[in-house]
Amino acid sequence: GENVEQHPSTLSVQEGDSAVIKCTYSDSASNYFPWYKQELGKGPQLIIDIRSNVGEKKDQRIAVTLNKTAKHFSLHITETQPEDSAVYFCAASRTGKLIFGQGTTLQVKP
Amino acid sequence: NAGVTQTPKFQVLKTGQSMTLQCAQDMNHNSMYWYRQDPGMGLRLIYYSASEGTTDKGEVPNGYNVSRLNKREFSLRLESAAPSQTSVYFCASRKTGGIYSNQPQHFGDGTRLSIL
Repeated sequence: GENVEQHPSTLSVQEGDSAVIKCTYSDSASNYFPWYKQELGKGPQLIIDIRSNVGEKKDQRIAVTLNKTAKHFSLHITETQPEDSAVYFCAASRTGKLIFGQGTTLQVKP
Repeated sequence: NAGVTQTPKFQVLKTGQSMTLQCAQDMNHNSMYWYRQDPGMGLRLIYYSASEGTTDKGEVPNGYNVSRLNKREFSLRLESAAPSQTSVYFCASRKTGGIYSNQPQHFGDGTRLSIL
């Protein structure tokens, strides 16, 4: 079945630096790739998503890139702020059922 | 706008007890999902309901049952709880059908379940 690998598992950056989280997926038919942010004690919240007919999408400080040939996609956060500290999950889907990566704990140091 | 509401937020059970986790959404979404979240493993799909009246197994369905009570509500039942079912359970919903392909899932804030 579909498998999604996410790296790194933890990431610590200085405020103002950029953060990059990478995911690879196994099912070449996957066509939808959302990224979720989860704060302590809360459910995952969608922050950005990309569909397979697009190579890159940007929303203010957040961007996602997709390489279908290599079957990997990445989340880029620029000018990080302490409030970006959270757990981030990537996911992949082709049928509406999401397969999640293992999560990345991002710590932004003031 | 409440979105996805899960009850209870916390629960402690003894091994062998039964329990139903409740989930309701007010976004008129067709599809609903139950996940469990364990440390280092992301979220894994237990059961889902593509539309009212249908349910299907996900990745880890053993030990669970579900009921899609109506379009708004989707419950998860543990018939005989086991310590391995200690986890955080999340319900999600999304709009599907017609032009609504690849719509995002919206999550509740979870039920934290401990089984002793």
